[in-house]
Amino acid sequence: EPEVTQTPSHQVTQMGQEVILRCVPISNHLYFYWYRQILGQKVEFLVSFYNNEISEKSEIFDDQFSVERPDGSNFTLKIRSTKLEDSAMYFCASSGQGARGETQYFGPGTRLLVL
Amino acid sequence: SQKIEQNSEALNIQEGKTATLTCNYTNYSPAYLQWYRQDPGRGPVFLLLIRENEKEKRKERLKVTFDTTLKQSLFHITASQPADSATYLCALPRLDQAGTALIFGKGTTLSVSS
Repeated sequence: EPEVTQTPSHQVTQMGQEVILRCVPISNHLYFYWYRQILGQKVEFLVSFYNNEISEKSEIFDDQFSVERPDGSNFTLKIRSTKLEDSAMYFCASSGQGARGETQYFGPGTRLLVL
Repeated sequence: SQKIEQNSEALNIQEGKTATLTCNYTNYSPAYLQWYRQDPGRGPVFLLLIRENEKEKRKERLKVTFDTTLKQSLFHITASQPADSATYLCALPRLDQAGTALIFGKGTTLSVSS
């Protein structure tokens, strides 16, 4: 069964460094998402992406964050200058047509630790 | 702003019993509600969707109800098994009239003992 994959599974970085988290959505899906989950807290929406542009973003997704679909398969989240509070599990998700209520398929996550 | 509350952080039940989890929301009228399962260190996995014009939805041992007057959804697992032990998340659309992004409740961690 097709699945969303994410790399790396774990990333440790120093505060102020840039990180890029990578995702390969399910191949025929058109809508892509990034969510994050700080340890012990709820899953929080960051951004959604469709047709090579951001379609929604939350207040968390500030100028330090950016997303890109550099080729036909990858979807990336860049954090320009990491802060301690960026430490979290980051989940990529995709859905087929982006219809309201459509299932979102989540990847296994990247655990980011900022020191 | 929208708020989702899953009333119990943890629920412990015996194998074979029915688990009932609650999701309450305030400050908007979502067109649908979803339930996800999350295992430790893993991403959420979709279980069920119920739309605002549906009162109840079933899938195998799972049942979801949606009361738009009470602003509440109940999630039931019948004949529960130890393998059902996980955190169950309620999710609603971030914007009630548009968009597809989800907001999640904090989840209820279910433990089923044999």
